[in-house]
Amino acid sequence: QKEVEQNSGPLSVPEGAIASLNCTYSDRVSQSFFWYRQYSGKSPELIMSIYSNGDKEDGRFTAQLNKASQYVSLLIRDSQPSDSATYLCAVSRESSGDKLTFGTGTRLAVRP
Amino acid sequence: GAGVSQTPSNKVTEKGKYVELRCDPISGHTALYWYRQSLGQGPEFLIYFQGTGAADDSGLPNDRFFAVRPEGSVSTLKIQRTERGDSAVYLCASSFRASGSIIEQFFGPGTRLTVL
Repeated sequence: QKEVEQNSGPLSVPEGAIASLNCTYSDRVSQSFFWYRQYSGKSPELIMSIYSNGDKEDGRFTAQLNKASQYVSLLIRDSQPSDSATYLCAVSRESSGDKLTFGTGTRLAVRP
Repeated sequence: GAGVSQTPSNKVTEKGKYVELRCDPISGHTALYWYRQSLGQGPEFLIYFQGTGAADDSGLPNDRFFAVRPEGSVSTLKIQRTERGDSAVYLCASSFRASGSIIEQFFGPGTRLTVL
């Protein structure tokens, strides 16, 4: 079992729709959770971080964390073609020096 | 302000050669991380510095890989006797402690290493 699992996609949504990206993790002591966006040929860009159960909203983005189910998700409201990218889920635990363990990413395609 | 910078942006070398990759973190960030990313994969942790010392080098694949951060700022990742399997994008990140207990890492643009 991989430590961080994501559906590789592609996830295709129409412009203006809600895109829902999901991630599960295996290490119960994971403490912090991150979503990075990565455009083709570019480096990962941090878009959301969360460490408490529940929802965290930032503009069109909402991160949801459920530690009991070991599940973290990212919702993108009013999806735009410019949101088309690979979304990487990453987790860390303080006992491992905050190093990030990444999933393989979900490719999102927003069609106009 | 300036983000994480990495040089060179691209490096092509021949099998068996030695390479150095440089990372300049965001000013004031005390922690620095190296990752590498192969096509279609997420970044994979290599080594983490807190200040000048390597706090965790568990991700270095073998003893051909070494990294230093002598003054607690710029770091150099060194790869000896390069192999074709070392070809990847090498990413550097630096971090600070955001609200609460969360530590956020910010990535540089990466160095694309190609070993022929």
